[in-house]
Amino acid sequence: DAMVIQNPRYQVTQFGKPVTLSCSQTLNHNVMYWYQQKSSQAPKLLFHYYDKDFNNEADTPDNFQSRRPNTSFCFLDIRSPGLGDAAMYLCATSREKGAGNQPQHFGDGTRLSIL
Amino acid sequence: GEDVEQSLFLSVREGDSSVINCTYTDSSSTYLYWYKQEPGAGLQLLTYIFSNMDMKQDQRLTVLLNKKDKHLSLRIADTQTGDSAIYFCAEREINDMRFGAGTRLTVKP
Repeated sequence: DAMVIQNPRYQVTQFGKPVTLSCSQTLNHNVMYWYQQKSSQAPKLLFHYYDKDFNNEADTPDNFQSRRPNTSFCFLDIRSPGLGDAAMYLCATSREKGAGNQPQHFGDGTRLSIL
Repeated sequence: GEDVEQSLFLSVREGDSSVINCTYTDSSSTYLYWYKQEPGAGLQLLTYIFSNMDMKQDQRLTVLLNKKDKHLSLRIADTQTGDSAIYFCAEREINDMRFGAGTRLTVKP
C-alpha cells in the first residue's frame, strides 16, 4: 500500500546532541510537511517542501532544519535539541498545494524524548 | 491560539451517537476535513466536505456543514470502543491546513 513512513517511531537523544528524523513516501506526492505536536495540542507546522522549494514557517526556530534529497525522502534535523523540543513529530504529504481537494496524508510520527 | 475551535472532551456510551463540533473562521476555506488520531499514531484522514455541500454521509460518519455560521460537525453513529481517539477538524487554505486542538472522544462500555 502507498503510504508515509517515519523512522524511528521513538527516538531518545541527549540535550544538545543533534538528531535526525526521517520520512519517506510512496505516494509520489509533490509536497512534504513536518509538524510538531505536543500533548493535547494541534499539530504545528514547522516547514514544508513543494518539490525542491523549501518553505519555512515564520516562527520555526533556527534549530530546526530540513532536507529533501529526492521526491521520496524528507529529513528533519534538530541541531541542538532542548528539553522543550520533546514532542511527537509528524510527517505528511499532499499531492499538490493550492486550491482544490488536497488532503494531507500522515505518517505514524516519531516521538522524540530529550534526556 | 487556533482559529479552528473544538471542545476538548466528549464521553459517550457504546452504541450511542457521538457528535463532535468545530467552528472555523476563514470563510474562504474550500475544503474541511476530519482526522482521527489514536494513541501514539499519526493522523488518519476520515472524511472531508466541500464548502458548497451541507451534508456528507460515509457509512457511520455524517458530516454537517453550516457555512453561514462556520460550523462543522462530525456525527458517529453506533459508536464503538474502537472509536475512542482524538478527532481533529481542519480547514484547507491555499497553501496550508489549519487544525483545531482536537476533541478527545471516550467511549464507555
